[in-house]
Amino acid sequence: QVQLVQSGPEVKKPGASLKVSCKTSGYSFTSYGISWVRQAPGQGLEWMGWISGFNGNTNYAQKFQGRVTMTTDTSTNTAYLELRSLRSGDTAVYYCAREEFSVGAMGYWGQGTRVTVFS
Amino acid sequence: QSALTQPASVSGSPGQSITISCTGTSSDVGGYDYVSWYQQHPGRPPKFLIYDVSTRPSGISSRFSGSKSGNTASLTISGLQAEDEADYYCSSQTSSNTVVFGGGTKLTVL
Repeated sequence: QVQLVQSGPEVKKPGASLKVSCKTSGYSFTSYGISWVRQAPGQGLEWMGWISGFNGNTNYAQKFQGRVTMTTDTSTNTAYLELRSLRSGDTAVYYCAREEFSVGAMGYWGQGTRVTVFS
Repeated sequence: QSALTQPASVSGSPGQSITISCTGTSSDVGGYDYVSWYQQHPGRPPKFLIYDVSTRPSGISSRFSGSKSGNTASLTISGLQAEDEADYYCSSQTSSNTVVFGGGTKLTVL
């Protein structure tokens, strides 16, 4: 079965960098893209960007341009989200999700990674 | 890109039908048939309910249906059940080839 398993919770200081992993299994990694979505405490979902599992092409939300990097490792079927220059407003649960064969159609989700940024 | 507009809350009694709206612009909802809907229970990741405006993925109950008219998409849940109580989010492709979510709607089953 399709599974996306994310790395564990993180506590970071302002200005630090974050790297979250999303290990996938149960499907052909290179046939699907991965989207990253975050959810601040008590808030709604926020799309951060997308990466192709086939060729690593990326598409980032303008809000995160210059501060985010999404990568993949096809040898381990893992996607990564890196976010730099963290601030308190980056405190959130970060999700990876497999995008189905339609834009924005996120069919399978990781369990989420809780990230807390505070000094 | 501003979030799509959803009502903050809706409610209904068991067995009734409810509709949640998702309003955008011609640069997102109105311009593309790439609207999706998600259900989220507290402390859980979102669950995929609808894509391409009205298509249900395999395994999703026919009680959930989607539609669109102009710049507004809608999710209808018929035969409300207690387990439908959750937050619901819409999303859409945008003219910038990105994705934007709605602010979310809390459904209360009375």
